[in-house]
Amino acid sequence: DTAVSQTPKYLVTQMGNDKSIKCEQNLGHDTMYWYKQDSKKFLKIMFSYNNKELIINETVPNRFSPKSPDKAHLNLHINSLELGDSAVYFCASSHRDRGYGYTFGSGTRLTVV
Amino acid sequence: DQQVKQNSPSLSVQEGRISILNCDYTNSMFDYFLWYKKYPAEGPTFLISISSIKDKNEDGRFTVFLNKSAKHLSLHIVPSQPGDSAVYFCASVGGAQKLVFGQGTRLTINP
Repeated sequence: DTAVSQTPKYLVTQMGNDKSIKCEQNLGHDTMYWYKQDSKKFLKIMFSYNNKELIINETVPNRFSPKSPDKAHLNLHINSLELGDSAVYFCASSHRDRGYGYTFGSGTRLTVV
Repeated sequence: DQQVKQNSPSLSVQEGRISILNCDYTNSMFDYFLWYKKYPAEGPTFLISISSIKDKNEDGRFTVFLNKSAKHLSLHIVPSQPGDSAVYFCASVGGAQKLVFGQGTRLTINP
């Protein structure tokens, strides 16, 4: 009964590959996010979707493409992976009418070799 | 251009004492602030928040203080317990429900 689940938890892949990270929430939230925690430990927003509509698209290379098939899912696809993409990626969700307390997934540690 | 800064990367406190974690922000438009707690290999979990119309919010052992003129907030934990050992992130609400995070402070509670 995990609230926000993301898979896989660990992902090791070679440069140039294409990979996807999946996220699902069962909280009935209407907004989902992808955050990246870089090597300096900053958590920075990448994208957010509200009811399947893209709301926030920060300065992220267009190799990163989010996809929201429904409001309970927000997947992240990354093309042509680079060494600098290595980081921990967190999915989160919230509800516009329930304040700003996000619920985060446990993270996906991506290592590009 | 970090808009939220936590200048202490780590803090070590004796069990039972008070832990004080600090956070500074630069954007005067921020009007809502949150603290998150993170254990290794887990996502951050929401701890406590404060609106800019208040200067203090308390929840059990946790109290957050906001000084708008100084653009500074702090989290007080008293008494500190071993289970409080974690990384604490300060965050402010930007536009479109976007949270802007500081870089975190690792708190270690020593028995």
